[in-house]
Amino acid sequence: QITLKESGPTLVKPTQTLTLTCTFSGFSPSTSGVAVAWIRQPPGKALECLAITYWNDDKRYNPSLKSRLTITKDTSKKQVVLTMTNMDPVDTATYYCAHAIGGYYYDSNGYYYTYWGQGTLVTVSS
Amino acid sequence: DIQMTQSPSTLSASVGDRVTITCRASQSISSWLAWYQQKPGRAPKLLISKASTLESGVPSRFSGSGSGTEFTLTISSLQPDDFATYYCQQYNSFSDTFGQGTKLEIK
Repeated sequence: QITLKESGPTLVKPTQTLTLTCTFSGFSPSTSGVAVAWIRQPPGKALECLAITYWNDDKRYNPSLKSRLTITKDTSKKQVVLTMTNMDPVDTATYYCAHAIGGYYYDSNGYYYTYWGQGTLVTVSS
Repeated sequence: DIQMTQSPSTLSASVGDRVTITCRASQSISSWLAWYQQKPGRAPKLLISKASTLESGVPSRFSGSGSGTEFTLTISSLQPDDFATYYCQQYNSFSDTFGQGTKLEIK
């Protein structure tokens, strides 16, 4: 059974750095074709992929946010951590981590999201 | 980036209705499209991958079709549990993108 759960602060101040942790179980992020991603959703708005770390340790970032994002994976702890610098009120959103599959081993060009955490609402306000 | 446009943004329907949601890509994405269902306060749930492959446990009243730039999600007979927001996602490349969502409301 695959599960993921996000943890981190619910309130951050503008200009601060946000650190979110995704703790997962039921799969290995080193399995070919598997990835873990961070996706956010501002209140009442659509979903936006922020960053993804792949089974082979490759990483990719949303181009518009790349300079502010870092994603790291700790397989032994079963955690994936996202840091986002210089937070702004427009970054207020629910942040999800998700298990993804795709690529060559799934006969796919990209990756899609099979299991999601419950999400954590992060508010950016002074 | 590939832009995904869903229509309509909001759809009002009744239990038992057949409904169709459309998702259009700004360029061809072959069949690399997924559909998700999201209920208020909940995480999205994967319904369909590769445009038409129903995920395990998803009721057969859901179906997906299309390729290239135009795709549809059809619910053959709406059930009370189906009222939610639906998103498409293209994964033609490593820069995946979502549609803006279609909210399915009770008429």
